[in-house]
Amino acid sequence: DTGVSQNPRHKITKRGQNVTFRCDPISEHNRLYWYRQTLGQGPEFLTYFQNEAQLEKSRLLSDRFSAERPKGSFSTLEIQRTEQGDSAMYLCASSLTGTRVYEQYFGPGTRLTVT
Amino acid sequence: AQSVTQPDIHITVSEGASLELRCNYSYGATPYLFWYVQSPGQGLQLLLKYFSGDTLVQGIKGFEAEFKRSQSSFNLRKPSVHWSDAAEYFCAVGPAGSARQLTFGSGTQLTVLP
Repeated sequence: DTGVSQNPRHKITKRGQNVTFRCDPISEHNRLYWYRQTLGQGPEFLTYFQNEAQLEKSRLLSDRFSAERPKGSFSTLEIQRTEQGDSAMYLCASSLTGTRVYEQYFGPGTRLTVT
Repeated sequence: AQSVTQPDIHITVSEGASLELRCNYSYGATPYLFWYVQSPGQGLQLLLKYFSGDTLVQGIKGFEAEFKRSQSSFNLRKPSVHWSDAAEYFCAVGPAGSARQLTFGSGTQLTVLP
């Protein structure tokens, strides 16, 4: 069990640029979640995948955000035309299904700073 | 809609002292409850969880939490705090819809004095 990994750990970008983050979940986990965490707040749900299918998206996920999990393994989160309000920590989590879906294992996050 | 309230933004305790972090939730049915800890540069780590049964649950690192339905609370406790416990602690509740995502409180930052 190597844990959930996320890359990059930090990203600084200029407003209007596109950014992409990657998440590698625990290998046997078929559920993958993306959360966003702003300063002084707890994580907020963005979207989740069951295997390669994206099954739900939060209203927080504007049209500038897109997430994929093409082969049911790693996932990417892309933000187009970044805005300063996108500055946050983006967290990925993975889990099994059934009752163990609630045992979500989090990665260290990608901290995005939009200047 | 479900919600989680952590009334204490910041708590300071001396090493060796006891600790209690408060968590109140709002949820229409029996909730699943969690405590996570987040250290700088580290991911959120699950400390303990409550699904059903015994209302006093034991977790890792010597932490425990007690579910009190009448008070809608799930407070985290530790009898003797270690300097390495300094971190941010998050209470969370699930399920939060078909995604089964977690709803988190805003966190309590714990400082441990030597």
